[in-house]
Formats: sequence, C-alpha cells, structure tokens
Amino acid sequence: AQTVTQSQPEMSVQEAETVTLSCTYDTSENNYYLFWYKQPPSRQMILVIRQEAYKQQNATENRFSVNFQKAAKSFSLKISDSQLGDTAMYFCAFMKQSNTGKLIFGQGTTLQVKP
Amino acid sequence: SAVISQKPSRDICQRGTSLTIQCQVDSQVTMMFWYRQQPGQSLTLIATANQGSEATYESGFVIDKFPISRPNLTFSTLTVSNMSPEDSSIYLCSVVSSIYGYTFGSGTRLTVV
Repeated sequence: AQTVTQSQPEMSVQEAETVTLSCTYDTSENNYYLFWYKQPPSRQMILVIRQEAYKQQNATENRFSVNFQKAAKSFSLKISDSQLGDTAMYFCAFMKQSNTGKLIFGQGTTLQVKP
Repeated sequence: SAVISQKPSRDICQRGTSLTIQCQVDSQVTMMFWYRQQPGQSLTLIATANQGSEATYESGFVIDKFPISRPNLTFSTLTVSNMSPEDSSIYLCSVVSSIYGYTFGSGTRLTVV
C-alpha cells in the first residue's frame, strides 16, 4: 500500500521569504503522479503543482517549484517570494498511474505567512 | 478545469437523521470521487462513483452508511445516513478527466449535534 508522510504539521515564513515543505512517500510502483494541493480557510482544494514520476525535470509553476527525488521518494515544495495569500493548509498527494483518480494524501502542513 | 457545484455548503443536523450532498459537474466525466476530511485531518477517500455501476467503497466505509448515486456523467450524490457526532466532517466530491485533470468541489461542512 502507498503512504504519504508530511512531517511538518506547522510552518511559518515571513512575507517575501522562501519556504520549503517536505513530503516523503512509499510505493512499489514505478509510474505515478505526485501533487501539492493548497486548502485555504474557504475549504476549496486548489492544485498547486503536479509531477509525473517518469519526468526527471522538476515541475515549476511561477513561485512554486518542487524538488523531486525519485530514488529517495521525496517530493518537497518550495514557495518563493511568499505572499500573505499563500497562508493555507498544504497537502502532498500520490496517485498511481494505473489507478487514475484515487488520491492518497499526506497529513498536511499548515503554513502561516507573516507580514 | 471542470467546474463543480457542491451543495449544501454547510449544514447542522440532528443525530439519527440523514443528509444528502449533491455534486454537479459542468462537463461529462467518467469517474467521480467522494472524500471525507475530519476536523484537522487529511482527506480520506470514501468511494469511487462510476456511472452505470455500483460505487466502489474503500476499507472502513460501507454502502448502508454512505449510499451513493451516479445517475449520469455529470451528477452524483452522497448520503450520510443515521448520523452521529463522529460524522462531523467536511465532505468533498472530486472528478478527474483526461482534459481537465483533477478538480475538487468546494466541500460540505457537516456538523452533527
């Protein structure tokens, strides 16, 4: 069975600074997808970034980038130039390529961006 | 991405009653999913709802407690039956499509008193 672990329950960062959220996972699959989702107080789950396991290049989306280490089964999220609107719960998630749609989530990390 | 309308956004219910949550998608999708997020916790998949077949439930979730309907490719309902305070959670529907990827509804915050 797959598991996803986020070891940082809470983090804080000063506005405009950079922060990295950690995620590790366990799987015997070779082909899969990894995601970072943001959940602000509105409860809406918002996709931040997505990584295909077969791609060696790390995904980037504007201020968000990942450090994907397949051998180490690590998938960290870096937020650059943090903004107050980045304050939210962040979830790392795993999905088998052969089982499209079923996401396995980590425990979440609450990020507070301070002015 | 696909747009999902989820209703109600919140409700307060008496124990022993049932609540039906609706999800309407603005495009046809094959697979719809229902997740539960208990207070301060992560999301856990309840079941996968495919049109034209019975829902597939994850371990720990049963049809009698969480009956699901999927009458067409754009709509699904989840019923939380015979509720107890332990059912107080956020319930979210989601869809995945080859075109739009993975999208979540805005969630239903359920409080059972």
